[in-house]
Amino acid sequence: GESVGLHLPTLSVQEGDNSIINCAYSNSASDYFIWYKQESGKGPQFIIDIRSNMDKRQGQRVTVLLNKTVKHLSLQIAATQPGDSAVYFCAENYMNTGFQKLVFGTGTRLLVSP
Amino acid sequence: SQTIHQWPATLVQPVGSPLSLECTVEGTSNPNLYWYRQAAGRGLQLLFYSVGIGQISSEVPQNLSASRPQDRQFILSSKKLLLSDSGFYLCAWSVQGAMGEKLFFGSGTQLSVL
Repeated sequence: GESVGLHLPTLSVQEGDNSIINCAYSNSASDYFIWYKQESGKGPQFIIDIRSNMDKRQGQRVTVLLNKTVKHLSLQIAATQPGDSAVYFCAENYMNTGFQKLVFGTGTRLLVSP
Repeated sequence: SQTIHQWPATLVQPVGSPLSLECTVEGTSNPNLYWYRQAAGRGLQLLFYSVGIGQISSEVPQNLSASRPQDRQFILSSKKLLLSDSGFYLCAWSVQGAMGEKLFFGSGTQLSVL
């Protein structure tokens, strides 16, 4: 079935670098996308979202880019800090049998070295 | 503000024993509620969702069941646990934001079936 996947399972960066986490989605009907951060042993936390009619959205130190042509989503983290170390999930939202369904990718682990 | 409570945080159960995980949401009415399971190092798999009291939809065939006896209470159960039921279980509720429906997760229950 339709799925959301990630290009890099693990990303290692130095503190202060910019990080880019990528995600590919396959459902062209998806109209809403969310990035979540999950620290070890905790539930995922909402980071930032974007609708399909947008190309870019910025938050505090984070930017999400959406390329609908190639069905690609990315999360950019500026000046990465050790506290950013976590697993990051992208999720796509589409209508399925009358219900808004959120499908999660496998996740990318971000490791930040001091 | 809305909060979600999930318990217990960790649980070790023998094969064949029953299971009951509880989740409650505060500060909102008639939320959509969800149970997800996450295998170690993997993504989130939707197990059940509920749009109202007594209304449960199952996403995948499995050894588990869910119930919603009250508006803000969601329970995940099993009569006889299997080894394959081990995992990290997450309860979530959703809210319709400006751009789409966001999920907010509880802190999770780490279930080990031995």
